[in-house]
Amino acid sequence: EVQLVQSGAEVKKPGESLRISCTGSGYSFTSFWFAWVRQKPGKGLEWMGIIWPGDSETKYSPSFQGQVTMSADRSIRTAYLQWTSLKASDSAIYYCVRLQTGGTMKGYGDLWGQGTLITVSP
Amino acid sequence: SYVLTQPPSVSVAPGQTATITCGGNNIGDKNVHWYQQKPGQAPVLVLSYNDNRPSGIPDRFSGSNSGNTATLTISRVEAGDEADYYCQVCDSGDPLYVFASGTKVTVL
Repeated sequence: EVQLVQSGAEVKKPGESLRISCTGSGYSFTSFWFAWVRQKPGKGLEWMGIIWPGDSETKYSPSFQGQVTMSADRSIRTAYLQWTSLKASDSAIYYCVRLQTGGTMKGYGDLWGQGTLITVSP
Repeated sequence: SYVLTQPPSVSVAPGQTATITCGGNNIGDKNVHWYQQKPGQAPVLVLSYNDNRPSGIPDRFSGSNSGNTATLTISRVEAGDEADYYCQVCDSGDPLYVFASGTKVTVL
């Protein structure tokens, strides 16, 4: 089955670090760009950035540049999103998304993970 | 940065047609993609490249894009179509991917 499976929900304190994961299966993992998308409670979708698992090339949204780090380990078909110092404002659901781009960086998300809920609270 | 505008909400009776607009400067020159998100679920692609339906999406979903407005049309609306709908484009500047704020479709 073609799917993206994300790691489970996390409850963290401000200032703590965190890495969440997204594992792909059922397709060629290194042939698609991945995106990370944030959704704050009751709000819309925000594009955070994209990563090419083949060589870990990344492009961040200006809003998230320097705030998070995207990485990937193609040997285990897994993409990661990492924070070094969480803030309460990072509380949200985070989705990984496989992109259909036709070989460019531009395209759309045809396969979404189930989402990872992150709660940051003192 | 490129800005997309959607109405916050649309209400429609079962069996009628729902029209959701996505406005942007010369959006007709871009490819518009649409997602459906039901409560507690991840978004699902319903249209790519303005009017292309992925496998499994009913033909009640259709789209168009011209000038400054793209449109998602849901014909013969069903209760199961109640969801938030988001349009998305890619821009030449930053950010590369842009989502609109979403439209909540309520089936009366």
